[in-house]
Amino acid sequence: SYELTQPPSVSVSPGQTARITCSGDALPKQYAYWYQQKPGQAPVLVIYKDSERPSGIPERFSGSSSGTTVTLTISGVQAEDEADYYCQSADSSGTHGVFGGGTKLTVL
Amino acid sequence: EVQLVESGGGLVQPGGSLRLSCAASGFTFSSYEMNWVRQAPGKGLEWVSYISSSGSTIYYADSVKGRFTISRDNAKNSLYLQMNSLRAEDTAVYYCARKYRNLYYFDYWGQGTLVTVSS
Repeated sequence: SYELTQPPSVSVSPGQTARITCSGDALPKQYAYWYQQKPGQAPVLVIYKDSERPSGIPERFSGSSSGTTVTLTISGVQAEDEADYYCQSADSSGTHGVFGGGTKLTVL
Repeated sequence: EVQLVESGGGLVQPGGSLRLSCAASGFTFSSYEMNWVRQAPGKGLEWVSYISSSGSTIYYADSVKGRFTISRDNAKNSLYLQMNSLRAEDTAVYYCARKYRNLYYFDYWGQGTLVTVSS
Protein backbone atom coordinates (compact mmCIF):
# COMPACT_ATOMS: atom_id res chain seq x y z
CA SER A 1 0.00 0.00 0.00
CA TYR A 2 1.04 3.58 -0.59
CA GLU A 3 3.13 5.33 2.07
CA LEU A 4 4.25 8.84 2.93
CA THR A 5 7.57 9.17 4.76
CA GLN A 6 8.34 11.83 7.36
CA PRO A 7 11.24 12.21 9.81
CA PRO A 8 10.16 11.15 13.31
CA SER A 9 11.42 14.30 14.97
CA VAL A 10 12.73 17.81 14.35
CA SER A 11 14.14 20.14 16.98
CA VAL A 12 14.71 23.88 16.71
CA SER A 13 15.28 26.82 19.02
CA PRO A 14 12.71 29.62 19.29
CA GLY A 15 12.96 32.06 16.40
CA GLN A 16 14.67 29.57 14.10
CA THR A 17 13.20 27.92 11.02
CA ALA A 18 11.84 24.38 11.14
CA ARG A 19 11.52 22.30 7.99
CA ILE A 20 9.60 19.03 7.91
CA THR A 21 9.72 16.89 4.80
CA CYS A 22 7.29 14.31 3.45
CA SER A 23 8.10 11.95 0.58
CA GLY A 24 5.79 9.85 -1.55
CA ASP A 25 5.76 8.53 -5.10
CA ALA A 26 2.33 9.96 -5.91
CA LEU A 27 3.02 13.47 -4.64
CA PRO A 28 3.74 14.83 -8.13
CA LYS A 29 0.18 13.81 -9.00
CA GLN A 30 -1.70 14.38 -5.74
CA TYR A 31 -1.78 17.47 -3.53
CA ALA A 32 -0.32 17.31 -0.04
CA TYR A 33 -1.87 18.66 3.11
CA TRP A 34 -0.38 19.34 6.54
CA TYR A 35 -2.02 19.03 9.95
CA GLN A 36 -0.86 20.15 13.38
CA GLN A 37 -1.93 18.03 16.34
CA LYS A 38 -1.43 18.90 19.99
CA PRO A 39 -1.91 16.35 22.79
CA GLY A 40 -5.51 15.36 23.37
CA GLN A 41 -6.78 17.39 20.42
CA ALA A 42 -8.03 16.63 16.94
CA PRO A 43 -5.72 17.57 14.06
CA VAL A 44 -5.91 21.09 12.61
CA LEU A 45 -5.18 21.84 8.95
CA VAL A 46 -2.26 24.26 8.50
CA ILE A 47 -1.49 23.88 4.76
CA TYR A 48 -3.64 22.67 1.87
CA LYS A 49 -2.92 22.11 -1.84
CA ASP A 50 0.84 21.88 -1.14
CA SER A 51 1.31 25.55 -0.27
CA GLU A 52 -1.97 27.29 0.52
CA ARG A 53 -2.60 28.53 4.02
CA PRO A 54 -6.11 28.38 5.53
CA SER A 55 -7.54 31.50 7.08
CA GLY A 56 -6.50 31.89 10.69
CA ILE A 57 -3.18 30.07 10.26
CA PRO A 58 -0.17 32.32 10.98
CA GLU A 59 1.94 33.48 8.04
CA ARG A 60 5.01 31.75 9.51
CA PHE A 61 3.54 28.46 8.23
CA SER A 62 4.31 27.77 4.56
CA GLY A 63 4.47 24.78 2.24
CA SER A 64 6.35 23.85 -0.89
CA SER A 65 6.62 20.98 -3.30
CA SER A 66 9.38 19.54 -5.44
CA GLY A 67 8.95 16.25 -7.25
CA THR A 68 8.17 13.46 -4.79
CA THR A 69 8.85 15.61 -1.71
CA VAL A 70 6.79 18.26 -0.01
CA THR A 71 8.04 20.47 2.79
CA LEU A 72 6.34 22.27 5.66
CA THR A 73 8.33 25.31 6.79
CA ILE A 74 7.72 27.15 10.02
CA SER A 75 9.63 30.43 10.11
CA GLY A 76 10.36 32.11 13.43
CA VAL A 77 9.23 29.08 15.43
CA GLN A 78 7.39 29.86 18.65
CA ALA A 79 6.93 27.70 21.72
CA GLU A 80 3.25 27.24 20.84
CA ASP A 81 4.27 25.50 17.59
CA GLU A 82 5.52 22.47 19.51
CA ALA A 83 3.26 19.67 18.30
CA ASP A 84 3.04 16.65 16.02
CA TYR A 85 2.79 17.42 12.32
CA TYR A 86 1.31 15.06 9.74
CA CYS A 87 1.39 15.22 5.98
CA GLN A 88 -1.61 13.71 4.18
CA SER A 89 -2.43 12.98 0.59
CA ALA A 90 -4.21 10.41 -1.56
CA ASP A 91 -2.94 7.42 -3.51
CA SER A 92 -2.31 7.74 -7.23
CA SER A 93 -5.90 6.78 -8.04
CA GLY A 94 -7.22 9.45 -5.67
CA THR A 95 -9.44 6.97 -3.86
CA HIS A 96 -7.58 6.10 -0.65
CA GLY A 97 -6.35 8.62 1.86
CA VAL A 98 -2.91 8.31 3.38
CA PHE A 99 -1.03 9.96 6.24
CA GLY A 100 2.66 10.23 6.89
CA GLY A 101 3.96 8.74 10.11
CA GLY A 102 4.11 12.14 11.79
CA THR A 103 6.93 14.41 12.94
CA LYS A 104 7.27 15.62 16.50
CA LEU A 105 8.45 19.21 16.51
CA THR A 106 10.33 20.13 19.67
CA VAL A 107 11.02 23.77 20.48
CA LEU A 108 14.18 23.78 22.57
CA GLU B 1 -21.22 25.93 13.15
CA VAL B 2 -20.04 22.60 11.80
CA GLN B 3 -20.06 19.87 14.44
CA LEU B 4 -19.14 16.20 14.27
CA VAL B 5 -19.79 14.15 17.40
CA GLU B 6 -18.67 10.53 17.59
CA SER B 7 -20.11 7.95 19.96
CA GLY B 8 -20.15 4.22 20.50
CA GLY B 9 -16.60 3.58 21.61
CA GLY B 10 -15.72 1.38 24.54
CA LEU B 11 -14.04 -1.82 25.69
CA VAL B 12 -14.58 -4.94 23.60
CA GLN B 13 -12.96 -8.37 23.61
CA PRO B 14 -10.84 -9.60 20.70
CA GLY B 15 -13.11 -11.03 18.03
CA GLY B 16 -15.99 -8.85 19.14
CA SER B 17 -17.98 -6.15 17.36
CA LEU B 18 -18.73 -2.50 17.89
CA ARG B 19 -20.66 0.15 15.96
CA LEU B 20 -19.48 3.74 15.96
CA SER B 21 -21.73 6.66 15.11
CA CYS B 22 -20.97 10.23 14.08
CA ALA B 23 -23.70 12.85 14.34
CA ALA B 24 -23.23 15.78 11.98
CA SER B 25 -24.72 19.25 12.23
CA GLY B 26 -24.19 22.76 10.93
CA PHE B 27 -23.87 21.80 7.26
CA THR B 28 -25.73 19.93 4.52
CA PHE B 29 -24.52 16.44 5.43
CA SER B 30 -25.88 14.80 2.28
CA SER B 31 -23.60 16.98 0.12
CA TYR B 32 -20.31 15.89 1.68
CA GLU B 33 -18.08 12.84 1.43
CA MET B 34 -17.07 11.49 4.83
CA ASN B 35 -14.22 9.46 6.28
CA TRP B 36 -13.08 7.64 9.39
CA VAL B 37 -9.53 8.18 10.62
CA ARG B 38 -8.01 6.45 13.65
CA GLN B 39 -5.07 6.98 15.96
CA ALA B 40 -3.64 4.23 18.16
CA PRO B 41 -2.38 5.37 21.58
CA GLY B 42 0.89 7.25 21.13
CA LYS B 43 0.91 6.56 17.39
CA GLY B 44 0.18 8.43 14.19
CA LEU B 45 -2.97 9.03 12.20
CA GLU B 46 -4.28 6.28 9.96
CA TRP B 47 -6.95 6.72 7.30
CA VAL B 48 -9.58 3.96 7.69
CA SER B 49 -12.46 4.43 5.27
CA TYR B 50 -14.26 6.75 2.82
CA ILE B 51 -17.89 7.02 1.77
CA SER B 52 -19.31 9.21 -0.98
CA SER B 53 -22.10 11.70 -0.35
CA SER B 54 -24.75 9.30 -1.59
CA GLY B 55 -23.17 6.23 -0.02
CA SER B 56 -22.71 4.53 -3.37
CA THR B 57 -18.89 4.57 -3.36
CA ILE B 58 -16.85 3.18 -0.48
CA TYR B 59 -13.16 2.53 0.10
CA TYR B 60 -11.25 0.90 2.96
CA ALA B 61 -7.68 0.69 4.17
CA ASP B 62 -6.20 -2.77 3.68
CA SER B 63 -5.88 -3.14 7.46
CA VAL B 64 -9.67 -3.13 7.96
CA LYS B 65 -11.04 -4.38 4.63
CA GLY B 66 -13.43 -7.28 5.10
CA ARG B 67 -13.93 -6.54 8.81
CA PHE B 68 -15.21 -2.94 8.92
CA THR B 69 -18.25 -1.48 7.13
CA ILE B 70 -18.84 2.22 6.64
CA SER B 71 -22.34 3.54 6.02
CA ARG B 72 -24.40 6.69 6.32
CA ASP B 73 -28.00 7.81 6.81
CA ASN B 74 -28.44 11.20 5.18
CA ALA B 75 -31.94 11.56 6.59
CA LYS B 76 -30.46 11.31 10.09
CA ASN B 77 -27.28 13.28 9.32
CA SER B 78 -25.26 10.35 10.61
CA LEU B 79 -22.17 8.38 9.67
CA TYR B 80 -21.46 4.88 10.97
CA LEU B 81 -18.61 2.39 11.24
CA GLN B 82 -19.49 -1.23 11.94
CA MET B 83 -16.40 -2.99 13.26
CA ASN B 84 -16.33 -6.80 13.36
CA SER B 85 -13.63 -9.34 14.22
CA LEU B 86 -11.85 -6.74 16.28
CA ARG B 87 -8.17 -7.17 17.10
CA ALA B 88 -5.88 -5.63 19.69
CA GLU B 89 -4.29 -3.54 16.95
CA ASP B 90 -7.66 -1.87 16.28
CA THR B 91 -7.36 -0.12 19.65
CA ALA B 92 -7.43 3.59 18.82
CA VAL B 93 -9.27 6.86 18.96
CA TYR B 94 -11.61 6.91 15.98
CA TYR B 95 -12.36 10.26 14.36
CA CYS B 96 -15.01 11.03 11.78
CA ALA B 97 -13.80 13.67 9.36
CA ARG B 98 -15.48 15.66 6.62
CA LYS B 99 -13.74 15.65 3.26
CA TYR B 100 -13.47 19.03 1.58
CA ARG B 101 -15.44 18.93 -1.70
CA ASN B 102 -13.23 17.93 -4.64
CA LEU B 103 -9.95 17.89 -2.72
CA TYR B 104 -8.79 14.96 -0.58
CA TYR B 105 -8.33 16.63 2.77
CA PHE B 106 -10.30 16.80 5.97
CA ASP B 107 -11.58 20.22 6.93
CA TYR B 108 -13.60 19.28 10.02
CA TRP B 109 -12.96 16.56 12.59
CA GLY B 110 -14.91 15.21 15.54
CA GLN B 111 -13.40 14.93 18.99
CA GLY B 112 -12.93 11.19 18.60
CA THR B 113 -14.18 8.11 20.42
CA LEU B 114 -11.86 5.56 22.04
CA VAL B 115 -12.12 1.90 21.12
CA THR B 116 -10.17 -0.53 23.30
CA VAL B 117 -9.85 -4.15 22.22
CA SER B 118 -8.66 -6.24 25.12
CA SER B 119 -9.53 -9.35 27.09
